[in-house]
Amino acid sequence: GDSVTQMEGPVTLSEEAFLTINCTYTATGYPSLFWYVQYPGEGLQLLLKATKADDKGSNKGFEATYRKETTSFHLEKGSVQVSDSAVYFCALSGTGTASKLTFGTGTRLQVTL
Amino acid sequence: SAVISQKPSRDICQRGTSLTIQCQVDSQVTMMFWYRQQPGQSLTLIATANQGSEATYESGFVIDKFPISRPNLTFSTLTVSNMSPEDSSIYLCSVGRSTDTQYFGPGTRLTVL
Repeated sequence: GDSVTQMEGPVTLSEEAFLTINCTYTATGYPSLFWYVQYPGEGLQLLLKATKADDKGSNKGFEATYRKETTSFHLEKGSVQVSDSAVYFCALSGTGTASKLTFGTGTRLQVTL
Repeated sequence: SAVISQKPSRDICQRGTSLTIQCQVDSQVTMMFWYRQQPGQSLTLIATANQGSEATYESGFVIDKFPISRPNLTFSTLTVSNMSPEDSSIYLCSVGRSTDTQYFGPGTRLTVL
């Protein structure tokens, strides 16, 4: 079945550092890929998505590129802020309309001054 | 995106009791889902709430424990029945329309004593 593997956390960075959170997936067909963010005490917010190979999703300075050849969707940001401290989830949606999401285990990011 | 609300936002319940969680969307949506997020864990899909018919449950989840209703295209409820401390989790509803993107409610934080 479908699965998503994320790098273990927590990730601790200083403000303005470069961020990479690795995500790889296993799926049949051509899934859509997502990054969701969960701030402390809140629900999940969609951060960005990509629906086909070589698509780049971007939002709030975060980017991720759908790499079919490496089955990866790594999240990057050039300069993190303290306000980016949260848990980040990589997820995929199988082929079809609004089909169920399969999530990775989540990566906690802590940004310090 | 859609505006999604959940009630209650949090609750503390006694073992053996039941709690019904409501999910309300500000517009009609095709798909509604219920997820569970156990402490420090990722999200696991409980079921797909189908309008006008029985919910579709994932492996490991049964209707007797998690009965779900969806009377129309904007509202659904999830009941957690005969609760035990292992049911302490965040329960989230999500919605999707014609695209494969899902949007999440703020979650219901449940503690069972």
